[in-house]
Amino acid sequence: DQQVKQNSPSLSVQEGRISILNCDYTNSMFDYFLWYKKYPAEGPTFLISISSIKDKNEDGRFTVFLNKSAKHLSLHIVPSQPGDSAVYFCAAVTGTASKLTFGTGTRLQVTL
Amino acid sequence: DAGVTQSPTHLIKTRGQQVTLRCSPKSGHDTVSWYQQALGQGPQFIFQYYEEEERQRGNFPDRFSGHQFPNYSSELNVNALLLGDSALYLCASSGPEAFFGQGTRLTVV
Repeated sequence: DQQVKQNSPSLSVQEGRISILNCDYTNSMFDYFLWYKKYPAEGPTFLISISSIKDKNEDGRFTVFLNKSAKHLSLHIVPSQPGDSAVYFCAAVTGTASKLTFGTGTRLQVTL
Repeated sequence: DAGVTQSPTHLIKTRGQQVTLRCSPKSGHDTVSWYQQALGQGPQFIFQYYEEEERQRGNFPDRFSGHQFPNYSSELNVNALLLGDSALYLCASSGPEAFFGQGTRLTVV
């Protein structure tokens, strides 16, 4: 039972354009959502998060949007840079528990 | 300040053998979680240790066990290895904005 889903396994975007990565979840108990970025041979690195009481959180080039009614969140990267090429994981948490439930990841390739 | 460190980085074991993976959390972090990432999948939560006790456990069999030491470092033990245990094993300290180590790539042949 995949509670967090990333339906696009890969995405290719030109440098300078916007990258939009999507994530859907089914468990309504999730109340905190995170995005991680992973390069090959490295562990995931925390990127940005959002609480369920908000619908938007912004940090520099990265913005996460949350639509609770649709159980959907998205990560926007503007402008996209070649160094953003990596696998992006969406993750969710319930309450004070720090167990992360991850999606399957989206491989982003930013081309010149 | 060292981040989360894991050892070894790569390991090859034979079916039926036992393996121990090690993790040192980021300085000052007292909670350690272990995840298994199979090829093409996201990390799956195995268990979490806090104050030397298992606090939460994911859907993994009893062949997977762990330990946390007084200095907060942790071990993950897997007994009776199966081919399906081949994966990247990730250790994370604190959370939920967890800091991850680079992982241990376990191959079971």
